[in-house]
Amino acid sequence: DVKVTQSSRYLVKRTGEKVFLECVQDMDHENMFWYRQDPGLGLRLIYFSYDVKMKEKGDIPEGYSVSREKKERFSLILESTSTNQTSMYLCASSPGRIYNEQFFGPGTRLTVL
Amino acid sequence: GQSLEQPSEVTAVEGAIVQINCTYQTSGFYGLSWYQQHDGGAPTFLSYNALDGLEETGRFSSFLSRSDSYGYLLLQELQMKDSASYFCAVRDKSTESGYSTLTFGKGTMLLVSP
Repeated sequence: DVKVTQSSRYLVKRTGEKVFLECVQDMDHENMFWYRQDPGLGLRLIYFSYDVKMKEKGDIPEGYSVSREKKERFSLILESTSTNQTSMYLCASSPGRIYNEQFFGPGTRLTVL
Repeated sequence: GQSLEQPSEVTAVEGAIVQINCTYQTSGFYGLSWYQQHDGGAPTFLSYNALDGLEETGRFSSFLSRSDSYGYLLLQELQMKDSASYFCAVRDKSTESGYSTLTFGKGTMLLVSP
């Protein structure tokens, strides 16, 4: 089974702090994605990566950056958190050029005070 | 831009059949996917339609009409464990590098009662 793990289930941070969210997948997938999920808004794509060191902006990249130094690991970085970044963050991966079936991690619920 | 419309909530009883509709407006279109997410859990892939017609997988079926920009997820013989949120997602645009991404609807919460 594909396994996508995320470094934390819950995080509480103060405004202005830097946050790293890590995601690891164990199925050698080329593509990895970061979404945020908010009530009533569904899943919105922040960034995605189709290869090591390659990344592209999604629909809501402002306030976020990403890093993919190894194929299995995709990190989301919040340089200076703000309260409007309080959300559930979901990582996903998919193989090759198959984008319709993505495998999701359990999510990190981030609260920014 | 892209937009997907699906009902926010649907209720049904055990053993019944329920249909969750999804209409979309996108600049490009390659296919429609459905995902299930239980409360507190991760979204999991259910089905994908690239061509018109009905795809059946056990108790779940998914339908697509490209000419109507419309699809639905059909759940039969409902069970309590089917209570979850269901998201439609379109594979639409290609990015500068030639890759495409998924745009998700806002989700439909299905409540199955005894």
